[in-house]
Amino acid sequence: EAQVTQNPRYLITVTGKKLTVTCSQNMNHEYMSWYRQDPGLGLRQIYYSMNVEVTDKGDVPEGYKVSRKEKRNFPLILESPSPNQTSLYFCASSRQGSEAFFGQGTRLTVV
Amino acid sequence: AQSVAQPEDQVKVAEGNPLTVKCTYSVSGNPYLFWYVQYPNRGLQFLLKYITGDNLVKGSYGFEAEFNKSQTSFHLKKPSALVSDSALYFCAVRGLIGGSYIPTFGRGTSLIVHP
Repeated sequence: EAQVTQNPRYLITVTGKKLTVTCSQNMNHEYMSWYRQDPGLGLRQIYYSMNVEVTDKGDVPEGYKVSRKEKRNFPLILESPSPNQTSLYFCASSRQGSEAFFGQGTRLTVV
Repeated sequence: AQSVAQPEDQVKVAEGNPLTVKCTYSVSGNPYLFWYVQYPNRGLQFLLKYITGDNLVKGSYGFEAEFNKSQTSFHLKKPSALVSDSALYFCAVRGLIGGSYIPTFGRGTSLIVHP
């Protein structure tokens, strides 16, 4: 089954404690991206990757890091999480110019 | 820069009535346009897309959308709404930025279909 898998689904952490949200896709898509969804603000792109070892900033990259060492994986790293990074995060993948497949989301709370 | 506007935060319709969720866009070159739906506690699901060809695009669950180049719009429609259509709907455009097709999403429109 074609899918994008994110883990964990839910995470509560404390300010400053490094965390990683994993994302994996099994469709051999070149393009992967991370979004955060906040009430009234819709989806905002954090980082995206056009292919292995090619990443670029989206609209709200501050406080986040990503890597793309393999085509299927695109982890999101928060080196020092802060409460304003409390949000619902989505990973997505697609072929160039085609529709995106989204993960189920990760609800992160930073206290 | 490309952008997507969904002018209504919320649309309410009665079950059985037609529904329209509006979307306008701004992009350089020919747009790739998409609609997605998000049910509570779920990720976004693809509904339909316009790449080229017929301006009326049919998608999943009886939804359709009309591409209007002169008005730069891509409104989502359904002839007869169901209560189960209640969800959050996102319009998106993919335009060519720096040689790559980068997507931009609207803020979303909450559709409420009441019995």
